[in-house]
Amino acid sequence: GDSVTQMEGPVTLSEEAFLTINCTYTATGYPSLFWYVQYPGEGLQLLLKATKADDKGSNKGFEATYRKETTSFHLEKGSVQVSDSAVYFCALSRGGTSYGKLTFGQGTILTVHP
Amino acid sequence: DGGITQSPKYLFRKEGQNVTLSCEQNLNHDAMYWYRQDPGQGLRLIYYSQIVNDFQKGDIAEGYSVSREKKESFPLTVTSAQKNPTAFYLCASRSSGAGYEQYFGPGTRLTVT
Repeated sequence: GDSVTQMEGPVTLSEEAFLTINCTYTATGYPSLFWYVQYPGEGLQLLLKATKADDKGSNKGFEATYRKETTSFHLEKGSVQVSDSAVYFCALSRGGTSYGKLTFGQGTILTVHP
Repeated sequence: DGGITQSPKYLFRKEGQNVTLSCEQNLNHDAMYWYRQDPGQGLRLIYYSQIVNDFQKGDIAEGYSVSREKKESFPLTVTSAQKNPTAFYLCASRSSGAGYEQYFGPGTRLTVT
């Protein structure tokens, strides 16, 4: 079945540091890929997405590129801020009979210190 | 503003009681989903519904029930048969267009003692 694997956290960085959170997936066909962010006590917010190979999703300084050859969708940001502290989830969805169900990674906790 | 509302934010129940969590959306989305989140874990799918009056079990449906009588509403009942009901519950919806992104509500934290 489908699965998503994220790098284990927690990740602790200083403000303005470079961020990478690794995400790899297993799925048949051509899934859509997503990064969601969750702030403490809140629901998930869509951060960015990519729907086909070599697509780059970007939002709020975050980027991720859909790499089919390595089945990866790593999240990057050039300079993190304290306000980026949150839990980040990588997820995939397939069409067809999967009815748009999302398969999530386990989440990566990011803490950014001033 | 369009969005998804879940109520209440916090819910406390005694063991053995059924409890219903509310989820309403005004995004005109066809599909709706319920997920469970436990500390340090990803989200697990409980139930989903593609259209009114139709729903399917997700990966962890045992001990839960749902209904979909209106497009806007998808309530989740946590029954006394659910062995470990204490968790954070998230509702989501999705349009039928391409891209398949889901939009999430703020969640309900259920504590059963």
